[in-house]
Amino acid sequence: GAGVSQSPSNKVTEKGKDVELRCDPISGHTALYWYRQRLGQGLEFLIYFQGNSAPDKSGLPSDRFSAERTGESVSTLTIQRTQQEDSAVYLCASSPLAGGRGQYFGPGTRLTVL
Amino acid sequence: RKEVEQDPGPFNVPEGATVAFNCTYSNSASQSFFWYRQDCRKEPKLLMSVYSSGNEDGRFTAQLNRASQYISLLIRDSKLSDSATYLCVVIEYSSASKIIFGSGTRLSIRP
Repeated sequence: GAGVSQSPSNKVTEKGKDVELRCDPISGHTALYWYRQRLGQGLEFLIYFQGNSAPDKSGLPSDRFSAERTGESVSTLTIQRTQQEDSAVYLCASSPLAGGRGQYFGPGTRLTVL
Repeated sequence: RKEVEQDPGPFNVPEGATVAFNCTYSNSASQSFFWYRQDCRKEPKLLMSVYSSGNEDGRFTAQLNRASQYISLLIRDSKLSDSATYLCVVIEYSSASKIIFGSGTRLSIRP
């Protein structure tokens, strides 16, 4: 079946602009996660959605970052007033439960802030 | 101390060799464990779950040692295609689940 998809695959933007990244999880997966991965670094947790519960936003690095999810479907990650240090690959993952059966990752969005 | 620690490597071994690496975790309440592999400039992919009884999938064997709080991954008869970064993942369940990724161990298989 279809895996996790993300769009766009690449995004180049100018410092100060807002960007919106999209994630389509695997159908039926109740949990959805956003991570950031800088070049040569590990995964940095950003935010987690589980069903209709309040999201865990503990990993968002600043108030310029926000995310939404509609029910158990699409999620968008928004970065306002982008900075050069926001340049990274943003990965989305979904899982059927709260990670208990492993996560399935999308291909990521590579964000470059000039 | 980091919640999940891995030797970053790189481990550089010849094709056909057996290689093993560990991942330690600090929270004894951790309940689920996984190994992922990540190829260069690609997303992580689930490799296998890790159980106390051990888990074998072909050339790959994963083990959990709760007493010493580590998980291991053993790769036998390594192939060139095994070259990747291997990430361990620990999940803690309390009021909400917390998923923690290790920073990865880089493995390079040489011909």
